[in-house]
Amino acid sequence: AQSVAQPEDQVNVAEGNPLTVKCTYSVSGNPYLFWYVQYPNRGLQFLLKYITGDNLVKGSYGFEAEFNKSQTSFHLKKPSALVSDSALYFCAVRGGNQGGKLIFGQGTELSVKP
Amino acid sequence: GAGVSQSPRYKVAKRGQDVALRCDPISGHVSLFWYQQALGQGPEFLTYFQNEAQLDKSGLPSDRFFAERPEGSVSTLKIQRTQQEDSAVYLCASSEYLNRADTQYFGPGTRLTVL
Repeated sequence: AQSVAQPEDQVNVAEGNPLTVKCTYSVSGNPYLFWYVQYPNRGLQFLLKYITGDNLVKGSYGFEAEFNKSQTSFHLKKPSALVSDSALYFCAVRGGNQGGKLIFGQGTELSVKP
Repeated sequence: GAGVSQSPRYKVAKRGQDVALRCDPISGHVSLFWYQQALGQGPEFLTYFQNEAQLDKSGLPSDRFFAERPEGSVSTLKIQRTQQEDSAVYLCASSEYLNRADTQYFGPGTRLTVL
């Protein structure tokens, strides 16, 4: 079965420090991986995606993610966190036989303190 | 350009009432998706359309849920005889094509509360 796991419900970092939000996946065939961010009472905003090619993907607002096929992971990273990065982050995967739908993880709450 | 819009943003219904939730996708987008997001959870797939054709409705939780996109643009998700367990945020997304690499762009959601 296709699935996505975000092992941390919450991540706390200090402003200016690097941040990592973890994601692992299970899917048949080649995965298409996405990260979205959700602010309170808002929909999901697209950050970045991995389709093929370079394992390091750069996205919006200084975020990047590293695809690791052997570890089936797609961790979200940012070199220097901002207080405004505080939000709920979702990893999602679309696999070979899923048709158009995205399978989402449970989400990770990122809190960046000044 | 305009993003995906949804209306109403908030809906309160009494148990047993019927509700209709509207989604306006990004102009020209072929594919449209509906997801349900329960409190504290990630979105879960309900159904999707390519133009007016409903290609997958495997995520609809019961036959009380019905979605349509008659002209291949605006879509309506209808829930009949609402139950308390239907309380959730209903998210609509659209993408330019139906390609696995395509990005889905989400609307702000409709928060449904069933009393």
